[in-house]
Amino acid sequence: AQSVTQLDSQVPVFEEAPVELRCNYSSSVSVYLFWYVQYPNQGLQLLLKYLSGSTLVESINGFEAEFNKSQTSFHLRKPSVHISDTAEYFCAVSDEGGYQKVTFGTGTKLQVIP
Amino acid sequence: GAVVSQHPSRVICKSGTSVKIECRSLDFQATTMFWYRQFPKKSLMLMATSNEGSKATYEQGVEKDKFLINHASLTLSTLTVTSAHPEDSSFYICSAPTLAAQYFGPGTRLTVL
Repeated sequence: AQSVTQLDSQVPVFEEAPVELRCNYSSSVSVYLFWYVQYPNQGLQLLLKYLSGSTLVESINGFEAEFNKSQTSFHLRKPSVHISDTAEYFCAVSDEGGYQKVTFGTGTKLQVIP
Repeated sequence: GAVVSQHPSRVICKSGTSVKIECRSLDFQATTMFWYRQFPKKSLMLMATSNEGSKATYEQGVEKDKFLINHASLTLSTLTVTSAHPEDSSFYICSAPTLAAQYFGPGTRLTVL
């Protein structure tokens, strides 16, 4: 069985400050990891994913996440946030490359303060 | 990226009626689609796996006779909430996978009065 833990339900941060959203997972097999973002009143959008290769993955809007196998973590970071980054962020794990069942964390609401 | 649509985006119905929600993969084929339910301030709960050409696979605790799923084609899956009650009010989201990741529809907000 696999599970995802997002310890922070809400993270307030001032605009242009750095942010880290934490994600830890557990799985008995190889994992594939994802971050999804949900803007207010919208559906989920894939932000970035780790399937294999480089442990540092980046999104087009400045977010990055690093897969750390020894710490079973996949924290999401951004060096300078914008108001438009205000959203709910979900970490997710799959043991089948994302093609099949995905298990989601409980989400972290990022609130950017002007 | 891949696009998944849902229709309707919002629906309000009376208790006891049935509601059908459509999920379409617009630019790719999906032999499998997933239906999730999202409660307020909660994560997504997988309800069932929709399989084209065969019966859906339901997660434990999900009533298959209440949540009817039909995967009619490689681009369309439907979820019908039968005899809806207020406790069925929720945000329903579908997804369709590719080899790289799952792509989600924008969701359907169901309100049962």
